[in-house]
Amino acid sequence: EDQVTQSPEALRLQEGESSSLNCSYTVSGLRGLFWYRQDPGKGPEFLFTLYSAGEEKEKERLKATLTKKESFLHITAPKPEDSATYLCAVRSGYGNKLVFGAGTILRVKS
Amino acid sequence: NAGVTQTPKFQVLKTGQSMTLQCAQDMNHEYMSWYRQDPGMGLRLIHYSVGAGITDQGEVPNGYNVSRSTTEDFPLRLLSAAPSQTSVYFCASSYSRSGRTGEQYFGPGTRLTVT
Repeated sequence: EDQVTQSPEALRLQEGESSSLNCSYTVSGLRGLFWYRQDPGKGPEFLFTLYSAGEEKEKERLKATLTKKESFLHITAPKPEDSATYLCAVRSGYGNKLVFGAGTILRVKS
Repeated sequence: NAGVTQTPKFQVLKTGQSMTLQCAQDMNHEYMSWYRQDPGMGLRLIHYSVGAGITDQGEVPNGYNVSRSTTEDFPLRLLSAAPSQTSVYFCASSYSRSGRTGEQYFGPGTRLTVT
């Protein structure tokens, strides 16, 4: 069974304090790992897709990396507006299904 | 483009009642799906569709029905509501072409309470 585990469950940072979120996965035949951002009361918003170990993607203060067993979302010098829940998901095998992790709630205080 | 729209935004049902959650997209996406989100459990796939007339079950399909008569619409029917179906429901859509199915566009959600 495909599984995605995210850690930590919640993270509090001071503005400017860089950190990383972790997404560990177990999947038979990875066909993409995806990061989403979700603001309170809204639907998730797509951030990144990673397909192979060693791949990196960047967007503003966020950088996503991928290994054969996990992905990291690095947040550099975060701002309060980066506060959100960050979700990780994998697509596996020959189907179109996504398996999501429970998410990491990030709070950045000024 | 309106993107993915969902109605209603909030709904309260009594146990045993039935209702339909509406979802529509105007991006001509082939792939559409329904998720439920519960605290601490992330998003779980209920049903999905790869095109008009084609649907399939996800991880938690029991108690729900779907149909896909057009590319744009993908309604979710609760047959006989139960308190365990209290959740936030999200509809999502994406292209089906290889490599892009994971880049899904989500609607704003429907918060359902079953008493």
